[in-house]
Amino acid sequence: DVKVTQSSRYLVKRTGEKVFLECVQDMDHENMFWYRQDPGLGLRLIYFSYDVKMKEKGDIPEGYSVSREKKERFSLILESASTNQTSMYLCASSFETGDSSGANVLTFGAGSRLTVL
Amino acid sequence: AQTVTQSQPEMSVQEAETVTLSCTYDTSESDYYLFWYKQPPSRQMILVIRQEAYKQQNATENRFSVNFQKAAKSFSLKISDSQLGDAAMYFCAYRSAWAGGSQGNLIFGKGTKLSVKP
Repeated sequence: DVKVTQSSRYLVKRTGEKVFLECVQDMDHENMFWYRQDPGLGLRLIYFSYDVKMKEKGDIPEGYSVSREKKERFSLILESASTNQTSMYLCASSFETGDSSGANVLTFGAGSRLTVL
Repeated sequence: AQTVTQSQPEMSVQEAETVTLSCTYDTSESDYYLFWYKQPPSRQMILVIRQEAYKQQNATENRFSVNFQKAAKSFSLKISDSQLGDAAMYFCAYRSAWAGGSQGNLIFGKGTKLSVKP
C-alpha cells in the first residue's frame, strides 16, 4: 500500500514563527498536494506539485510556500505563522498516468493539526 | 469553474439500516471523474468509491453504491447495512478528465458528517 507520512500529527506554534510541515510518500508518485481542512469549508487546495522542483498555486496559497527538492518529499512552509492558519493540514499524493485513465486517486496522510497561538 | 455541493452537513442512521448522502456538482465538461472519500474520526481519508462519467453503470463497492445521474449532475452515495465503523465525514469530489495542470486537481464538497446509532 502507498503510504503518505506527515512528520507531525500535532503542532503548537506562536504567531510569527516559521513552520515546516513535511510530507513523504513511498510509491514514486508524481503528484503531491497540500490541502487545508476547516469545519464547514471542506478541503481547500493550497499548493500542488507535478514533478520535482515544480509547484503550482492552488485556491488559497497566500501565506504559504512549498518545496519539492526530491520526488518523495513535499514540504509546506508558513513563513510567518498567524492565528488564522490554525487548521488541519492534509498532504496527498497520486500517480499520474498522463492520460485520462483515472489512475489518479489521492492517497492521503493522517494530517497535521496546527495551532498558532 | 466546477463546484461540488453537499447539502447535508450532518446525517444520522441506525445501525443495519440504509442511508443516502447527496452530492451535486456543476460543470460544463462532459468527461470527468467523481469520488466519495471517507474520513473517520482522527484517521486518514480514504477512497470509498469512484465513478467515471462516461460509464452508464453505477459503481458499487460492497455495501457502498452510487446513484450517478449525469444529466441532473447528481452523485449520491448509498450505504447499505450501516455499521458503526461507517461513522465518518464523507466528502464528494470532482476531477476533470484532463490529465494535466490545475484541471487535474480534485474539487471537494464541504462534507457530510455521518453518525451511526447502535
